Amino acid sequence: AQKVTQAQTEISVVEKEDVTLDCVYETRDTTYYLFWYKQPPSGELVFLIRRNSFDEQNEISGRYSWNFQKSTSSFNFTITASQVVDSAVYFCALSDVAVYNQGGKLIFGQGTELSVKP
Amino acid sequence: EAQVTQNPRYLITVTGKKLTVTCSQNMNHEYMSWYRQDPGLGLRQIYYSMNVEVTDKGDVPEGYKVSRKEKRNFPLILESPSPNQTSLYFCASSSLAGYGETQYFGPGTRLLVL
Repeated sequence: AQKVTQAQTEISVVEKEDVTLDCVYETRDTTYYLFWYKQPPSGELVFLIRRNSFDEQNEISGRYSWNFQKSTSSFNFTITASQVVDSAVYFCALSDVAVYNQGGKLIFGQGTELSVKP
Repeated sequence: EAQVTQNPRYLITVTGKKLTVTCSQNMNHEYMSWYRQDPGLGLRQIYYSMNVEVTDKGDVPEGYKVSRKEKRNFPLILESPSPNQTSLYFCASSSLAGYGETQYFGPGTRLLVL
């Protein structure tokens, strides 16, 4: 069955530190998609990135970068030079064919709460 | 601005009093879905809709109803709310019902049932 594991429940860093949020996934499909969402204290879910299983290139967007490694079934998220505004819960999510047949839902990890202190 | 909107954002009600949470998207998306988020249980899908007049149950549909009469709207109806429906609710939409499409979420509705 599909599963997404975010083993880090809470992380606390001081501003300007780099921080990596781990995501490990399980799927039987060879084609699948991975996502990261941010949930700030205000509660909304903000889409950050989507990656398909055929594209293992790392991606960088400003201070954010993502490392996708199929060999270890991981899709980790790094924030460089963290800022207080990065404080949020971050969710990793998975979509594959089987999930599509179950109503198109996303399979979410439990989330990692990141606290960036000034 | 492309967005998913939900109303109300916050709601306190009493057991048994019917309520509707509205959801609307302006992106012409075919697929829409409702999730609830609870501590320790994560996000769980309640209902989904592949297109107009096509809806189906998700993982936790008990106590909820939905309708999809127009492409842009997907209201969530609680006919007789109970305290165990106290939760944070999200509506989401995506351009296709196929897997892999990015789902965009509304701002959430915090519901407290007394």
